[in-house]
Amino acid sequence: AQSVTQLDSHVSVSEGTPVLLRCNYSSSYSPSLFWYVQHPNKGLQLLLKYTSAATLVKGINGFEAEFKKSETSFHLTKPSAHMSDAAEYFCVVIDTGRRALTFGSGTRLQVQP
Amino acid sequence: NAGVTQTPKFQVLKTGQSMTLQCAQDMNHEYMSWYRQDPGMGLRLIHYSVGAGITDQGEVPNGYNVSRSTTEDFPLRLLSAAPSQTSVYFCASSYSRQAGVPQHFGDGTRLSIL
Repeated sequence: AQSVTQLDSHVSVSEGTPVLLRCNYSSSYSPSLFWYVQHPNKGLQLLLKYTSAATLVKGINGFEAEFKKSETSFHLTKPSAHMSDAAEYFCVVIDTGRRALTFGSGTRLQVQP
Repeated sequence: NAGVTQTPKFQVLKTGQSMTLQCAQDMNHEYMSWYRQDPGMGLRLIHYSVGAGITDQGEVPNGYNVSRSTTEDFPLRLLSAAPSQTSVYFCASSYSRQAGVPQHFGDGTRLSIL
C-alpha cells in the first residue's frame, strides 16, 4: 500500500526566507504524488502534482517540488516565503486501488514578519 | 463557477441523532468521495463513488452511508451520531478515476456531536 510521511508537523520561517516542507513516500511502484494547501477554514487547493513526467515540478504561487526516487522523497520548496503562505500543507499519494488520495498528517507553516 | 458545494457549513448534533451532509458538483465529474479531517491525522477516506449507482467503502466507513443516484450529488448520512464522529468533513470530485487526476474539494462541513 502507498503511504506518505511528512517529517515536520510545524515549520516556522521569516518572511522572505526559503521554505522547505519535507515528505517521504512509500510505494511499490512509481507513484502519483501531490501537494495540497489548506488555508484556515477552507477546503484544499492543489499546489502541484507529479505523475512520472519531469522530476522537478512547478506549482502555483512559486512553489516547486522535486521527485527523488533514490531518496523516496517529494519535498516542497519556495525560494522566498510570503505572509500569505501561512497555511497547512499536505503531501498526498494516490491509492490506485481506490483511486483515492492517501494524505500525510500535514505540516503547518508559520511565516513570521 | 460553483465547483463542489457542501451544505451545511456547520452543524451541532446530539448523540444518537441522524443527519445528511450534502455534496453537489456542477463539473460533470465521474468520481466523488468523502473524507474526514481530524487533528494530526490528515484526511481519511470514508466512502467513494466512481459513477452514478456505484459506491464503495474507504478507510473509515463505519457509521456512515452514501448513495449516488445522480452524477451531481453524493450525500453522506450519519445513521446514529456519536461523539467520535465530531470532525470536519470534506467532499471531493474529479473527472476521472485515473491516477494523477487532481481532485476538487468543497469548503467542508464542521460537525460537532454532543
